[in-house]
Amino acid sequence: AQTVTQSQPEMSVQEAETVTLSCTYDTSENNYYLFWYKQPPSRQMILVIRQEAYKQQNATENRFSVNFQKAAKSFSLKISDSQLGDTAMYFCAFKGTQGGSEKLVFGKGTKLTVNP
Amino acid sequence: KAGVTQTPRYLIKTRGQQVTLSCSPISGHRSVSWYQQTPGQGLQFLFEYFSETQRNKGNFPGRFSGRQFSNSRSEMNVSTLELGDSALYLCASSPTSGTGGYIQYFGAGTRLSVL
Repeated sequence: AQTVTQSQPEMSVQEAETVTLSCTYDTSENNYYLFWYKQPPSRQMILVIRQEAYKQQNATENRFSVNFQKAAKSFSLKISDSQLGDTAMYFCAFKGTQGGSEKLVFGKGTKLTVNP
Repeated sequence: KAGVTQTPRYLIKTRGQQVTLSCSPISGHRSVSWYQQTPGQGLQFLFEYFSETQRNKGNFPGRFSGRQFSNSRSEMNVSTLELGDSALYLCASSPTSGTGGYIQYFGAGTRLSVL
């Protein structure tokens, strides 16, 4: 079974600075997808970024980028120029391609606080 | 386009009762997944429905069940509620189901409190 581990339960960063959230996963599959989701205090889960395992290039979405290391099974999220609105829980998630299901396996999350 | 809608937003029940939660996916989405979120266990997959068929089920007791209707709306039911069922229940929809990396869009959730 796949597992996702986020080793940082809480982090804080000053506004405008850069922060990196860590995620490691375990799987025997070769093709899969990885996601970072953000859950602000209002609770609605929002996709931040998606990475396809067969793509070497790291995904980027504006201030958000990932460092995907397939061999190391590592998938970290970098937030540049942090903003107050980035304060949220961040979840790393894995989706396999065997079995044909949309099931996501989530890490326990990292609570990020951006301080003014 | 309207997002994923979950009703009700809040629910208070007592032990032994049963509860039904509803989820309306984004228009055109045919896959609906349910997750339970608790402080201790985090986000856990309950089940996924696609074209009215359950495609996958998580490791939850048989008291947790669900269904999907022909318009893709989904309901989940929990019978004989226990205190440990208190959680935020999240519904997510995606266009289809399979081996692709489709983005799942989440609803705001239903907060269930069991007293």
